[in-house]
Formats: sequence, structure tokens, C-alpha cells
Amino acid sequence: GAVVSQHPSRVICKSGTSVKIECRSLDFQATTMFWYRQFPKQSLMLMATSNEGSKATYEQGVEKDKFLINHASLTLSTLTVTSAHPEDSSFYICSARDRGLAGGSMHFALSTDTQYFGPGTRLTVL
Amino acid sequence: SQQGEEDPQALSIQEGENATMNCSYKTSINNLQWYRQNSGRGLVHLILIRSNEREKHSGRLRVTLDTSKKSSSLLITASRAADTASYFCATDAQGAQKLVFGQGTRLTINP
Repeated sequence: GAVVSQHPSRVICKSGTSVKIECRSLDFQATTMFWYRQFPKQSLMLMATSNEGSKATYEQGVEKDKFLINHASLTLSTLTVTSAHPEDSSFYICSARDRGLAGGSMHFALSTDTQYFGPGTRLTVL
Repeated sequence: SQQGEEDPQALSIQEGENATMNCSYKTSINNLQWYRQNSGRGLVHLILIRSNEREKHSGRLRVTLDTSKKSSSLLITASRAADTASYFCATDAQGAQKLVFGQGTRLTINP
């Protein structure tokens, strides 16, 4: 089945530093990737939708200058948490949409796509 | 905002019993999906049920969908200790092109 990887799996950083998290689709092309954050014992909250070759679409309340997203290729999206603070400590999870055909056909209806989730990145800001 | 509501929030049963979790949503959907998450780990996709389907099975899992009531249920039969996890429903709303997750049910299977 489709596999999505994330790197790093966990990171501890000092307040004020920036942290980059990578999300890769390993055996399929993903024109769309999604970034979520999850606080302990809570559900996933969508932060932004990342489209290859275009600007990300951020959900209401998510600061685009704080959480920089780059989707430079069909298999890689990155999330950079800039000037991280302790309140940014969370579990960040990406997902990638599999179009269902090699190369990611645009003829498939978006609603039939399956999302595959990465294993998550635990960010702790001291 | 999340559109999925799940109940119960937590469920604790004995191994071998069946576990039922419910999910309600608010808008029209293309499909509804169920995921499992072990503590501190990523999500595992369990089942996708489309809006024109009423029931779907996968091994010990049975999912129903009632679009008139905007609700879905996940039944795990003959539960095992390894089924202990959080279970989330997620809706692919019409026109939204994204998944919205419910609050989840924390399931504990006691040996």
C-alpha cells in the first residue's frame, strides 16, 4: 500500500528557533498534501492544504507566516515552524492524497481519493 | 471547525466483546472514513464508505452509513487487546476537498 514518511519523527528545540518537517509520499505522486496538528488526547486539526507548485491554503486561525509550507515536488511537502514557542509543541501529521493512477490522473473525482497519513512528528519547544 | 461528533468519547470493554462507536456529521458528504490511531503514532486507514453505500465490511470491522441521519457507526467484533486505540471518523464533505475529523473515541480492551 501507499506509504507516507515524515522526518524527523521527533524534535526538541529551543524557543525562537525554526524547525522544518518533511513529508514524503514514497510510492505514489501526491498533488495534494495536508498538514494537521494534534494536541494530547485531542483530534486532528487541519492546518493547511498544500498543492504542488502553488501556494498553500491555510485554515482559519492558522498563521501562514508562522507555519511555512512548501510543496516543491509531487512527492515532497515541507512545514517550517518559524520562531517556535512552547505553545507550538504538538504532534504534527501530514497526509497525501493518492489519485489512484500512476502519475496522478486529474480525471478522477477528488472525492474518491484516499488520504494516507505519515507517522507524525512530535515537536517539543523548550 | 470540526464537523464530526463521536460518541462515546471513551469506551472500555472486555476482550471478546463487540465495540460500537458512532459518528455524526453536519453537511452533505462524498464519503466517510474511519481511522485508528495508537497512542503517539500516525493514523491507520480502516474503511472508506461512500455516500451511496449503506454498509461495508472489512474483517472484524463493520461500518454503516445513514445519510438521512447524517451518522455512521463502526463495529468491531470479537475485540482483542490490540484493538486498544483511538478511533476517528473523518468526512469528505462535498465541495470541501479535505477531510474533517471527529473528536474520536478512545477504546480500551481489557484482557
